[in-house]
Order: sequence, then C-alpha cells, then structure tokens
Amino acid sequence: LAKTTQPISMDSYEGQEVNITCSHNNIATNDYITWYQQFPSQGPRFIIQGYKTKVTNEVASLFIPADRKSSTLSLPRVSLSDTAVYYCLVGDIVNNNAGNMLTFGGGTRLMVKP
Amino acid sequence: DVKVTQSSRYLVKRTGEKVFLECVQDMDHENMFWYRQDPGLGLRLIYFSYDVKMKEKGDIPEGYSVSREKKERFSLILESASTNQTSMYLCASSLWRDPGELFFGEGSRLTVL
Repeated sequence: LAKTTQPISMDSYEGQEVNITCSHNNIATNDYITWYQQFPSQGPRFIIQGYKTKVTNEVASLFIPADRKSSTLSLPRVSLSDTAVYYCLVGDIVNNNAGNMLTFGGGTRLMVKP
Repeated sequence: DVKVTQSSRYLVKRTGEKVFLECVQDMDHENMFWYRQDPGLGLRLIYFSYDVKMKEKGDIPEGYSVSREKKERFSLILESASTNQTSMYLCASSLWRDPGELFFGEGSRLTVL
C-alpha cells in the first residue's frame, strides 16, 4: 500500500485559500487519491477523489501533478467551520480485494482563525 | 442520504467482558469496515467485509472478530475486552463499484475498565 505523508497541522485565517499537500512517492498505477474531512466526535466525510490532473467539486479542488507522487487539496476561502482534520489516502479502488483497501494516516489538523 | 448507524455512542465495559458493536447501513452497500481511532495514531482498519459472510483482516485484527450475516449489518466482537481496546470505533460502508468513497457512522466510544 502506498504510504502518505502530510503536515501534522496548519493554521489559516477566515477567507484565505488553504492548500494541504500530501506526498505519496510509491503510488501504484491503479491507485486513486482520496481526501476526507473529520470534525471532532464524528466519522470522516468524503471530500474529493482523483487520479490525475485536476478535480473540482463544490467543496474543494484536488491538484495532482503528472508524476502523481504528491497531491494538493485546495480549500477556497475557508471559514471557521472548516477547522477539522484532513486525511489523504491512496489506494486501489479499481480492484476491490484484500490488500487494496484505503489506509488512513495521521491527517493534517487545520485550524482556521477569525 | 446514506445512513450508517452504530448501535451505541458510548459504552463502558469491564475487562474480560464480551462486547458487541453493531453497525447498520441503509444503502445496500456491499463493503463494510470497522476502524478504531486513537489519538496520534489516526484510523486503523480492524476488519472489512465485501459480501455477506465474507471477511478480511485489516491492519490490527488481533483481539477482534466480526460477523456479517446480513448485507446491511456488520458486527464487531471483542471476545474478552481489555483496557488497551479502549478507543473510538468507527464503522463505514461503500459500494463495490466505488470502494474509495466511504460513508462513516458517528462512532462508538468504548471504555474498558
């Protein structure tokens, strides 16, 4: 399974754009990159998923360079309610069998200040 | 909306007790998962199941077993609870064709005394 590395914590201010980068140097051909958000006392929530280049939805954008060894989650104009832990996961979602399930790392704790 | 329901938000058990954690999902998902979450360790996969009566070990299966007799229900069993199993337990489910999008329950916080 591809291992991921992301910053332990980040601080930002309301209205700023936040970029959280995740390193996954040994990503495999069939691996997708998925990001989750978790608030205290809740289960994680799916944010966005991608394979290459750029993916955008109503919540965030995901940038993946050509070599796919890293990815960046971009949150536009954050608010206080975006304070949470963000997890980057890499896994083979094409072949749904043992050993290909998604593994959560330690995540990045984002603190948004007023 | 997909709903994943865990039977108990908070449980307190004694060492040696048998503990059942129940999880039910209402969206006909094939895959179901049990994770535990501890401070500084993130989420760690205990077991997962991709079909009724099927189960696969995750990263930390020791001390746990699971049961999936019906598609919508996935149970985590601690045969003899120990204090090092005090943790937050999270159940999740996903579609077979989209295993990357997990839907989580709110969690069950277990304290073993």
